[in-house]
Amino acid sequence: AQSVAQPEDQVNVAEGNPLTVKCTYSVSGNPYLFWYVQYPNRGLQFLLKYITGDNLVKGSYGFEAEFNKSQTSFHLKKPSALVSDSALYFCAVRDGSTGRRALTFGSGTRLQVQP
Amino acid sequence: GAGVSQSPRYKVAKRGQDVALRCDPISGHVSLFWYQQALGQGPEFLTYFQNEAQLDKSGLPSDRFFAERPEGSVSTLKIQRTQQEDSAVYLCASSSTPRDGYTFGSGTRLTVV
Repeated sequence: AQSVAQPEDQVNVAEGNPLTVKCTYSVSGNPYLFWYVQYPNRGLQFLLKYITGDNLVKGSYGFEAEFNKSQTSFHLKKPSALVSDSALYFCAVRDGSTGRRALTFGSGTRLQVQP
Repeated sequence: GAGVSQSPRYKVAKRGQDVALRCDPISGHVSLFWYQQALGQGPEFLTYFQNEAQLDKSGLPSDRFFAERPEGSVSTLKIQRTQQEDSAVYLCASSSTPRDGYTFGSGTRLTVV
């Protein structure tokens, strides 16, 4: 079985400050990890992924995420938040050791960036 | 096309009606996925196709839900005898290789009244 936990329903941050959106996962084999962003009435947009290699992955719009195997975490970060980053963020995982392609998503974290 | 296209964007169905939701994936994308997103929740997996083969339908909630992709491109998700709990946004996604992130469509918002 695979699962994702996003412990914060909402994160508030001031524009220009660093932001972190937390994600922890559980998977039996090799974790393939993803972050997506969802704007109102839109589908999900892919931000970044970790498959293998460097634990720090960089993605779209200045976002990055750090894979920590011992803590089973994949927190999303950005050095300087923008008001336009305000949206709903989803972490997702699948087991790369199996042929099963289905992603399991977390419940989402709403990011609110105040001007 | 440039992205994943879903139609209709909105669908209102009376309880007991059958509905069909269409997904047109990115040209050449082998894999196609259907997800259900209830209000305030993350997407929940429904089913997965590789070309025309439905390889995983473990997420379909009941036998009222049926999906097909007969020619390996466009897919249709059909819900028979709709019920109120079927109200949700239905998202379609496609990808090229197993290591790629998905590209999602904008979804179909289904409201059953």
